[in-house]
Amino acid sequence: NAGVMQNPRHLVRRRGQEARLRCSPMKGHSHVYWYRQLPEEGLKFMVYLQKENIIDESGMPKERFSAEFPKEGPSILRIQQVVRGDSAAYFCASSPNGLAINEQFFGPGTRLTVL
Amino acid sequence: GQQVMQIPQYQHVQEGEDFTTYCNSSTTLSNIQWYKQRPGGHPVFLIQLVKSGEVKKQKRLTFQFGEAKKNSSLHITATQTTDVGTYFCAGINYGGSQGNLIFGKGTKLSVKP
Repeated sequence: NAGVMQNPRHLVRRRGQEARLRCSPMKGHSHVYWYRQLPEEGLKFMVYLQKENIIDESGMPKERFSAEFPKEGPSILRIQQVVRGDSAAYFCASSPNGLAINEQFFGPGTRLTVL
Repeated sequence: GQQVMQIPQYQHVQEGEDFTTYCNSSTTLSNIQWYKQRPGGHPVFLIQLVKSGEVKKQKRLTFQFGEAKKNSSLHITATQTTDVGTYFCAGINYGGSQGNLIFGKGTKLSVKP
């Protein structure tokens, strides 16, 4: 059973470009979470999605950031017009359901560098 | 909003010494999880604590949840070089969605052989 998959593992963008980060949850998991981690910092919750629904986006910046989890295919975190401050590691996690009792399984992350 | 604070931020120990990291929440937690992240890696789930005053052990690791469910600790006995990494606590937010974890900033452990 493959774990959570994220691609690309490393992404370099110039200021003003768009970044698309993909996350495929573990088989059988329908709940996806996105986190951002700055160097030497903890993980900051961004958004929680189920298939075709955004459940909680309280951690998402109001502008330039969006997320989706379509019926088919991976979850996508999209950052438009990237700035240097967007440089970070972005982790996706999945769980079989949204109950707080469940552990979250993390993917390897996408390291975004904005030049 | 709810905050989870973790201390110390860094800890350097000699191999064989003990290590403890502490986690405090500004509000009562429903449960708390602990994760370990190796350098360059991703967080890996260690354990979850649910009950007030709960204590769980995994080999050399001992996890405690405070009586008021607002603090927690992780204690490692006789550290080994394989324990190197950053240890995060994560509390479940009562007021947010059921799956919304609030992470502390972590304690980075280095072990000198």
